[in-house]
Amino acid sequence: EPEVTQTPSHQVTQMGQEVILRCVPISNHLYFYWYRQILGQKVEFLVSFYNNEISEKSEIFDDQFSVERPDGSNFTLKIRSTKLEDSAMYFCASSGTINYEQYFGPGTRLTVT
Amino acid sequence: TQLLEQSPQFLSIQEGENLTVYCNSSSVFSSLQWYRQEPGEGPVLLVTVVTGGEVKKLKRLTFQFGDARKDSSLHITAAQPGDTGLYLCAGGEYGNKLVFGAGTILRVKS
Repeated sequence: EPEVTQTPSHQVTQMGQEVILRCVPISNHLYFYWYRQILGQKVEFLVSFYNNEISEKSEIFDDQFSVERPDGSNFTLKIRSTKLEDSAMYFCASSGTINYEQYFGPGTRLTVT
Repeated sequence: TQLLEQSPQFLSIQEGENLTVYCNSSSVFSSLQWYRQEPGEGPVLLVTVVTGGEVKKLKRLTFQFGDARKDSSLHITAAQPGDTGLYLCAGGEYGNKLVFGAGTILRVKS
């Protein structure tokens, strides 16, 4: 069964460093998303991406964040200068057009020290 | 701001019991999705409901979408220890972001 994959599973970085989180969405999906979940809190929306552009972003997704679909399969989230409060699980999701159901990847645990 | 409230926050029951968890909002959603999440893993989609009043069954799990598309329930019949986990509801508009509830932690004791 097709699934969303994410790499790395765990990333440790120092405050101020840049990180790139990678995702491979389900191959025939057209809508891509990033969410994050701080430990013990709700899953929060960051950004949605369709037709090679951002379709919606949350207040969390400020100028330090960017997304890219560099080729036909990968979808990346870049954080330019990480802060301690960026420590969280980051989930990539993708959806097709059948009820626009969103399928989530296993997540990347980002730890900023 | 769209919010989804889930209740109860935590439920501990014995194997074989039935249970219902709820997901309520003041907003109307085009669709509502139920996920199950294990610690340290991503949410796994269980079901999507899109029509007011819709009922979907997945083995011992029954999902219902309210007539006004603002609320939903998940009923588990004869719960088993393998049902233990965090159950999340999430509402959204087609192709757009999902708004998640805080979840119900279910523990089924054998």
